[in-house]
Amino acid sequence: EAQVTQNPRYLITVTGKKLTVTCSQNMNHEYMSWYRQDPGLGLRQIYYSMNVEVTDKGDVPEGYKVSRKEKRNFPLILESPSPNQTSLYFCASGLNRVQETQYFGPGTRLLVL
Amino acid sequence: SQKIEQNSEALNIQEGKTATLTCNYTNYSPAYLQWYRQDPGRGPVFLLLIRENEKEKRKERLKVTFDTTLKQSLFHITASQPADSATYLCALGDQTGANNLFFGTGTRLTVIP
Repeated sequence: EAQVTQNPRYLITVTGKKLTVTCSQNMNHEYMSWYRQDPGLGLRQIYYSMNVEVTDKGDVPEGYKVSRKEKRNFPLILESPSPNQTSLYFCASGLNRVQETQYFGPGTRLLVL
Repeated sequence: SQKIEQNSEALNIQEGKTATLTCNYTNYSPAYLQWYRQDPGRGPVFLLLIRENEKEKRKERLKVTFDTTLKQSLFHITASQPADSATYLCALGDQTGANNLFFGTGTRLTVIP
């Protein structure tokens, strides 16, 4: 089954404790991206990747890092999480470029205390 | 910066009627516009994409229009069913080479049996 998976689905952590949210897709997509969704603000893009070793900032990249060492994986790293990063995070993938159909993962709900 | 507004936070409609959702934008010239469906606790699901040179797109009971003069897109669901109840998001992107996709905050549609 074609899908985007994210882990963990739910995470509670404390300020400053580094964490990684994994994202994996099995559709051989070149394009992957990360979004956060907050009430009243909608989905906002954090980072995207056009292919392996090619990443770039989205709309709200501050406080986040990403890497793309393999085509299927695109982890999101929070080196020193803060309470304002409490949010619902979605990973997405697509054939190439954001213009094409994007497939979203199930989401990761993060609470930073 | 760009601003995207979806007509209302919530829309209730009787089963069998046509639901019409609005997406307005300012300070932006999108090359294309996408509509997504999002169910509670799930990631968005892509529905339709319409480009700036297209006036209308259809897919089964769904119809999207794109008016670059009015800076507006209309999303119609004909013969609505309770299963259509969800939040619908519009998203805009451009051709500049940046792979940002800008989302509205969504309209929560409830179809009443």
